[in-house]
Formats: sequence, C-alpha cells, structure tokens
Amino acid sequence: DQQVKQNSPSLSVQEGRISILNCDYTNSMFDYFLWYKKYPAEGPTFLISISSIKDKNEDGRFTVFLNKSAKHLSLHIVPSQPGDSAVYFCAASGMEYGNKLVFGAGTILRVKS
Amino acid sequence: DTAVSQTPKYLVTQMGNDKSIKCEQNLGHDTMYWYKQDSKKFLKIMFSYNNKELIINETVPNRFSPKSPDKAHLNLHINSLELGDSAVYFCASSQVVGFGGYTFGSGTRLTVV
Repeated sequence: DQQVKQNSPSLSVQEGRISILNCDYTNSMFDYFLWYKKYPAEGPTFLISISSIKDKNEDGRFTVFLNKSAKHLSLHIVPSQPGDSAVYFCAASGMEYGNKLVFGAGTILRVKS
Repeated sequence: DTAVSQTPKYLVTQMGNDKSIKCEQNLGHDTMYWYKQDSKKFLKIMFSYNNKELIINETVPNRFSPKSPDKAHLNLHINSLELGDSAVYFCASSQVVGFGGYTFGSGTRLTVV
C-alpha cells in the first residue's frame, strides 16, 4: 500500500538543463510534503518542503510545486549540476496522520556533464 | 561534530543472534526516530520517541525494542535476528514531530547470514 509514489526509478539529465522529479500521493490527510536528497553511504538530507496551503516553494535552484487536486508534487532543479546526482526521496506528513513521514521509493538522478 | 551518529556502520551477524544499534544526536532535538530501508528502497518508520517517550510504534515484530535513556540517545535492540531483518537502518531526529527537516544518521547496514 504505497501512499507516496515515485514512479520514475531514475532520470538522466544534461548539466545545465532542468531536472523534474515527480511524486504522487494517495492519502488526502497529508498536508505537508518534503524532498530529501541522498548520496551513497549517507543518510538522506532535507532539501525543501511545502505546506498544503501553498502551491509553490522556491529555494535557490530548487522549486517544489504542489497540485492538491491531482495529489501530485514535483521538484524542479534549474540548472542541474553534476553534484545534484543522487537519490531523491519524496515524503509526506500530516497532523491527522500522526505526523509520521511517509517516504516514496526514491528517484535516482544522474546529471551528465 | 556529527549531528546524528549511528554505530556501527556495518553489522554482519548470524541468524538467531541479538544485536544493538546505537544512535546519538547533538542537535538538542526532542524527537528521534528509527527508519528501515528495505530491499525495495522504501524508507519506513519503525519507532519514534519524543523526550524519551514512545510516540510512534509501527507494526514491527516485538523482537525489535527501542530504548531511549535520554532525549539525545535512541538505541535499537534486535533479538533473534532473521534473514528478513537485513536492511539499512537509519536513525533520525527532529525538533518538531513529523514536520520540518529530519536530520538523518548515515545508516547501519545490517546483514543477517
């Protein structure tokens, strides 16, 4: 029962171009969404988040978009850099869900130079 | 000055053994978690403690027992290890339960043979 789905296991992008990572969720009780980045042999690191009262949040090269009606969010990285190559996890939470973070399976991003 | 540190990083052990994984955070966070990353790469919450009190206990075999001697430490003890327990276990902490960026440790790769 995957409540947070990242349907693309991997994505390959040329350096300087835009990377778009997608995430879908099924539980309407989720009202807070996060993206984490993970390098091999390291723990995930928090990247950016968005509350359900917003539809966009931007932090430097990273922008997260939320479409509540479609239960879909995406992470845009512009411009992509080789150092962005990592696994990106989408996560969702909500007070009515006990504030637990529910993670997707991750998308491997490779940025080619 | 690692924020969330886990030991050991790697653990290879035989079926039936009992083992512990230790976690310490120096961020002053009130909440600590144990997550398991299974073979399908999903990160799934196992336990959460807030100020030494158990607040989240997912459907985890009772062979797994967390212990929090103080709010900076959350250890995970596993009895009678089984092959299916092989996974990467991540400890994490946060200031507010569920929200904001968790800070993860670098993980403990447990292999049961």
